[in-house]
Amino acid sequence: ETGVTQTPRHLVMGMTNKKSLKCEQHLGHNAMYWYKQSAKKPLELMFVYSLEERVENNSVPSRFSPECPNSSHLFLHLHTLQPEDSALYLCASSRLLAGRTEAFFGQGTRLTVV
Amino acid sequence: GQQVMQIPQYQHVQEGEDFTTYCNSSTTLSNIQWYKQRPGGHPVFLIQLVKSGEVKKQKRLTFQFGEAKKNSSLHITATQTTDVGTYFCAETDSWGKFQFGAGTQVVVTP
Repeated sequence: ETGVTQTPRHLVMGMTNKKSLKCEQHLGHNAMYWYKQSAKKPLELMFVYSLEERVENNSVPSRFSPECPNSSHLFLHLHTLQPEDSALYLCASSRLLAGRTEAFFGQGTRLTVV
Repeated sequence: GQQVMQIPQYQHVQEGEDFTTYCNSSTTLSNIQWYKQRPGGHPVFLIQLVKSGEVKKQKRLTFQFGEAKKNSSLHITATQTTDVGTYFCAETDSWGKFQFGAGTQVVVTP
């Protein structure tokens, strides 16, 4: 285990549904991230929360809405998604201002939009 | 944002052979990290390089940071089936933004 837990592991949702992805880290890190990984595409950075402030949006469609209530928890709220949003959504965390700022990833949520 | 380019995109290797994957940038990198993602898994940190010309080894894996800090390489000797996966390089900035390359997908044939 990496210390970063994502739930659910798998999610199937219709285009009119609203769902949320949850990420929790137990590493005492102060930065958290959402990445999207589609088949045959590189890891796409969606959102970054650094010291609980969002510092990156990366032109993500508004149907994806992040929430970071504290440094240990990160959510990704989903609504009116499209089939092309089907992908593996990975949460990661890191400790800023440290000598080595490696990213610790959760196991991901495999999302299928039908 | 700065992008790191990885080549090759795919690498088919016979078990026991060596191979190298490369990570290149058009601008100077502050650091470079390498991650491995097994099929069906998530990226796992392997190593970070910071200094110009730095070389680090992990068993059969050798990581190198170029003198100009614009490229990096990962060399694996005597490839094993456990080396299967996708290898990513990434740079991080002071805000903690990790920019990943597209990865090199490694397939090992026995």
